[in-house]
Amino acid sequence: AQTVTQSQPEMSVQEAETVTLSCTYDTSESDYYLFWYKQPPSRQMILVIRQEAYKQQNATENRFSVNFQKAAKSFSLKISDSQLGDAAMYFCAYRSPLGGTYKYIFGTGTRLKVLA
Amino acid sequence: EAQVTQNPRYLITVTGKKLTVTCSQNMNHEYMSWYRQDPGLGLRQIYYSMNVEVTDKGDVPEGYKVSRKEKRNFPLILESPSPNQTSLYFCASSYRGQYEQYFGPGTRLTVT
Repeated sequence: AQTVTQSQPEMSVQEAETVTLSCTYDTSESDYYLFWYKQPPSRQMILVIRQEAYKQQNATENRFSVNFQKAAKSFSLKISDSQLGDAAMYFCAYRSPLGGTYKYIFGTGTRLKVLA
Repeated sequence: EAQVTQNPRYLITVTGKKLTVTCSQNMNHEYMSWYRQDPGLGLRQIYYSMNVEVTDKGDVPEGYKVSRKEKRNFPLILESPSPNQTSLYFCASSYRGQYEQYFGPGTRLTVT
């Protein structure tokens, strides 16, 4: 069975600085998808960034980028130029390949605080 | 507007009183799913559906039922709620060939 582990329950970052959130996973599948979701106090789940396992290039979305290490089964999220609006709960998630089951596995989350 | 709706948004009930949380999407998505979110445990998948009349268990299906009689609706049924089902519940949907999930706004359930 697949597992997703986020070992940092809480992180803090100074406004305008860079922070990295860690995520490791375990799977026997060779093809899969990885995601980072943001959950602000409104509780809405917002997709931040995704990574297809077959792509070697790390995904980037504006100030958000990932460090995907397939062999190490590691998928960290880097937030550059942190803003107050980045304060939220962040969840790492795993999905089996498209065409397979619709199973998602989420990590336990990392609460990010942004200090002014 | 493309969206996933859930009702009710908040519910306080008593042990053993059957309840249904509705979920509806207007995007013609094939896939739908229910999650519960608990502090320190993240989101855990309860049930999912890959098409009408096709449902399957997620990681925490005990105490829950679902049905998918129409493509747009995927209600979550608690036949006999217990206090350990107090949680924040999310419904989500997606197209079969795409990775992105669209989440509903969440339902805060308290069972006393």
